[in-house]
Order: sequence, then C-alpha cells, then structure tokens
Amino acid sequence: GENVEQHPSTLSVQEGDSAVIKCTYSDSASNYFPWYKQELGKRPQLIIDIRSNVGEKKDQRIAVTLNKTAKHFSLHITETQPEDSAVYFCAASPSGGSNYKLTFGKGTLLTVNP
Amino acid sequence: GAVVSQHPSWVICKSGTSVKIECRSLDFQATTMFWYRQFPKQSLMLMATSNEGSKATYEQGVEKDKFLINHASLTLSTLTVTSAHPEDSSFYICSVTGGVNQPQHFGDGTRLSIL
Repeated sequence: GENVEQHPSTLSVQEGDSAVIKCTYSDSASNYFPWYKQELGKRPQLIIDIRSNVGEKKDQRIAVTLNKTAKHFSLHITETQPEDSAVYFCAASPSGGSNYKLTFGKGTLLTVNP
Repeated sequence: GAVVSQHPSWVICKSGTSVKIECRSLDFQATTMFWYRQFPKQSLMLMATSNEGSKATYEQGVEKDKFLINHASLTLSTLTVTSAHPEDSSFYICSVTGGVNQPQHFGDGTRLSIL
C-alpha cells in the first residue's frame, strides 16, 4: 500500500518568514495530493490540493509543488502569520475505481512566532 | 466544500458501554464516507470505508465486530463502538468525498473517553 513520509515533524518560524513542509510517497499510481491544516481539537481543513497533471498550484500565500518523477510534493507558506500555527498533514490518494482512500503523513507542527 | 455534521462531539462513558457516532453529509449525497481515528499528537488513521447500501471495508487490524458501521442512506453513516474499553478512547472523525480524486471534507470529530 501507499506510504507517505512527512518532514519536518516540527517547524518554528518567525512571523513573515516562509515555511516549507515536504512529503514523499511510495505508490507511483497516486495522483491526488491534498494538504490539510488542523488546529488543536478541531477538524482537518483542506487548504490546497494538487493533481498529478499539474506541477504547481498557488492560492494566495500558499503553494504546492509536485515532482512525480521523484515522488515528492511540498507545501510552501509565505509571509507566515501567527494564525498559520497548526498541524499540517499531507496525503496521497491512489488512482482509480472506487478507491478514494487517503494515506496521511504523520503531520508537521508549525509554530509562527510573533 | 461539503458540509459534514458529526454527532456527538464529546462522549464520556463507562467501560463496557456501546457508543454510536453519527456522520451526516448535509449538502450532497455521499455514496462513500470514511471513518478515522486520531490519537493525541498523531496522524489520522483510516479505520474503514463506509459504502452506502453495502458492507463497510475495514483496514487491516481494525476489528469489524467491534467497530460497527452502517451506511443506510446517502447522507448518514454511523459508527458504533461496541463494548468500549479505555484503550478505545480517541478522537473519531468522519469524512465525505464527492468521488475519485475529489477532496475529502471532515466532520468536527467525536472525542470519546472511556472510564
């Protein structure tokens, strides 16, 4: 099955700096890669996703890049703000049929210091 | 994104009790829902895939007789933790999806504490 590795497990940055979180996956058939933000005690919320036919996607301060050859994808947050502090999870989904399952990375605790 | 309602949000009960958690898709018909378990400071672990009108598909290591899933309609899936014990204490979250390669949207989760 799919295996998703996520690094780093914790990341501390100063407000205004950029933050980068990286994930690798094992199943070359995976073709959908979402990122979720989870605040303490709350639901994971989708912040951005990318499909395998696209190399990069951007939404305001958030961007995701995908390298299918190397089987890795990254989340980039620019101009970080204290409210960006949360746990971020990457995930990968194998393609096809009725299998919509997501395999999640272990998460990255991002702390943005004012 | 999809609006998902999960109930209850918090349960405390005695060991041996069975607990039912509901997950509702409020704004579209979901043929597939997912149930996850999340321990403190850990990732989301998929427990089972809930399919409307058929049996759920359980992940390896998840006891289907302990975690009963019913998906009787396109808007409701239920997870029943039978004869719960302290080790079953966790955060249980459901999600719904619009289809293959579509986002999953999560409910607010249910914090289950077994005394």
